Amino acid sequence: GESVGLHLPTLSVQEGDNSIINCAYSNSASDYFIWYKQESGKGPQFIIDIRSNMDKRQGQRVTVLLNKTVKHLSLQIAATQPGDSAVYFCAEIVQAGTALIFGKGTTLSVSS
Amino acid sequence: EPEVTQTPSHQVTQMGQEVILRCVPISNHLYFYWYRQILGQKVEFLVSFYNNEISEKSEIFDDQFSVERPDGSNFTLKIRSTKLEDSAMYFCASSENQPQRSEQFFGPGTRLTVL
Repeated sequence: GESVGLHLPTLSVQEGDNSIINCAYSNSASDYFIWYKQESGKGPQFIIDIRSNMDKRQGQRVTVLLNKTVKHLSLQIAATQPGDSAVYFCAEIVQAGTALIFGKGTTLSVSS
Repeated sequence: EPEVTQTPSHQVTQMGQEVILRCVPISNHLYFYWYRQILGQKVEFLVSFYNNEISEKSEIFDDQFSVERPDGSNFTLKIRSTKLEDSAMYFCASSENQPQRSEQFFGPGTRLTVL
């Protein structure tokens, strides 16, 4: 079965809105989580990561929240811009592992 | 800014043929990876490579697949006898340190089409 997944396949927002993309994981042994952005025709691009000993981490316009109790990960994008339109994947690495295990992806569409 | 490069960008082959996909990781990186993405689906891990040996591989990475670092700069993925279901986008990635300590940087991918 799939360890990491996303709640919604698509999300449409207006420019300037805040976006929230969710992800559920099932492997309790995972201790490192990453959000990737993939634009059409390109490889995944790192956005932000978080370790299991944290519950929140902020970057530039992005925040990742980790709820280990319910095995839930979310990515918040503030003031969403048309350039944020892409597919967003959450990924995890199991403790002592090397493989990124990706979820299915959420397509974010931003209209201006 | 240093980046991972991959060649070719698109490879078309006949079923049963061997293909070699090539990658040049970022020069000071020590860990190398191959992933694949079937059209419209999630990215799937194939293999990780460190210190000239495989660190971890997935169930997808069977005897038909092999990896090699033939020199100080290239990292290759070979598929010995391609099948229709091998058609996918193949991404190479590299990281400076262990994957839990440093970001994996992805290349632009090679689109493999098996006819």
